[in-house]
Amino acid sequence: AQSVTQLGSHVSVSEGALVLLRCNYSSSVPPYLFWYVQYPNQGLQLLLKYTTGATLVKGINGFEAEFKKSETSFHLTKPSAHMSDAAEYFCAVSETYSGAGSYQLTFGKGTKLSVIP
Amino acid sequence: DGGITQSPKYLFRKEGQNVTLSCEQNLNHDAMYWYRQDPGQGLRLIYYSQIVNDFQKGDIAEGYSVSREKKESFPLTVTSAQKNPTAFYLCASSMRGSTEAFFGQGTRLTVV
Repeated sequence: AQSVTQLGSHVSVSEGALVLLRCNYSSSVPPYLFWYVQYPNQGLQLLLKYTTGATLVKGINGFEAEFKKSETSFHLTKPSAHMSDAAEYFCAVSETYSGAGSYQLTFGKGTKLSVIP
Repeated sequence: DGGITQSPKYLFRKEGQNVTLSCEQNLNHDAMYWYRQDPGQGLRLIYYSQIVNDFQKGDIAEGYSVSREKKESFPLTVTSAQKNPTAFYLCASSMRGSTEAFFGQGTRLTVV
C-alpha cells in the first residue's frame, strides 16, 4: 500500500525567501511522484512529476523537486518565493493499477503556503 | 478548448435529498475519478472508472453512486445515506498508460 506524509500543514515564508515543502512517501514498488498546486476554490494543477530517469525534476513556475530513494522523500523547493505562490500544495504517489494500465493517486493532506510581503 | 467541466460550481442540498454532480471531459481520456476534499484531509478517492460501463469503489464509496454510460461523462450521486456530504468534490481524468491526471474546477456541496 502506498501513502504520503506532508510535514507541516501550514508554511509561511517571506517574499524572496526559499520555499521548502516536505513530502515523504511509502510504496511497495518504485513510485511515481507528483506535486500539485491548488488555488482557493479551484481544481488541482500539476506542478511537476517524477516517473523515471533524472531524480531532480523541474516544473512550472520555478519549482523543482528531488527524488531521494534512500530517504523516501520528494521535497518541493523554489529559490525565491513570490506572492503568487500562495496556495495549497499536494504531494501524491501512484502505483500502476494492475491490469488496467491506469494510475491511482494517493494524496498527502496538503501544505498551505503563505507568502509574507 | 479541451478540459474537464464540473457543474455546478456551488450546490446546496437539504438533508435527506439525493443530488447529482456532473463531470464531463472532452480529452478522450479512458479513466475518470471522483475525489472528495475536506480541510486538512487532502483528497480521498470515492470512485473511479477505467472504461465505459465499468467502475470501482475507492476508499470512501459509502453513500455515493456513479455511472459511466459514456466515455466523456462520469456523474456522481451523493445519496441521503452519506452522513456528512458537505465537502469540495473534484473530478479528474487520465489517459490509459499516462501518469498525469487532469482535474476539473470542483463542486462545493453544502447540506443545509
